[in-house]
Amino acid sequence: AQTVTQSQPEMSVQEAETVTLSCTYDTSESDYYLFWYKQPPSRQMILVIRQEAYKQQNATENRFSVNFQKAAKSFSLKISDSQLGDAAMYFCAYSGQNFVFGPGTRLSVLP
Amino acid sequence: GEEVAQTPKHLVRGEGQKAKLYCAPIKGHSYVFWYQQVLKNEFKFLISFQNENVFDETGMPKERFSAKCLPNSPCSLEIQATKLEDSAVYFCASSQRTGPEQFFGPGTRLTVL
Repeated sequence: AQTVTQSQPEMSVQEAETVTLSCTYDTSESDYYLFWYKQPPSRQMILVIRQEAYKQQNATENRFSVNFQKAAKSFSLKISDSQLGDAAMYFCAYSGQNFVFGPGTRLSVLP
Repeated sequence: GEEVAQTPKHLVRGEGQKAKLYCAPIKGHSYVFWYQQVLKNEFKFLISFQNENVFDETGMPKERFSAKCLPNSPCSLEIQATKLEDSAVYFCASSQRTGPEQFFGPGTRLTVL
């Protein structure tokens, strides 16, 4: 079965600085997707970024980018120029035959 | 619709009462997923459907939980004889097929007193 690990239960970053959230996963599948979801206090799940495993190029969405290392099964999220509105829970997720969430990282942004 | 809709937003039940939650997936999406998120924030997968057929029910506590997705009706998740530990936010998500991202509804917060 696939597993997703987020080793940082909590992280903090100064406003305007850069922070990287870690995610590793385990799978024997070759074809899959990886995602980062943001969950603010409202609890709404918001898709931040997605990566297809067959693409070598790292996905980017404005201030959000990933470092996808397929051989190492690593999928970290980098948030540049952090804003107060980035404060939330961040979930890494794997989608292949099953959809699996990591346990989440709570990100605080300090003014 | 263009968003996953979940009703009700909040539901309060006394221990032992029945709770029923509803989900309308995005139009055109074939897959529906139910998750339970307790206060620890971890998501627990419950069940998924491909159209009206159960796709994966490995996460369902079968004794008290049941779910359906019938044609032309919202999907439902029903908990018989609720327990205190059922208190959680229940999310429904839909997708066009397995693989791509799931789109989440706003969740239903169930409180069991």
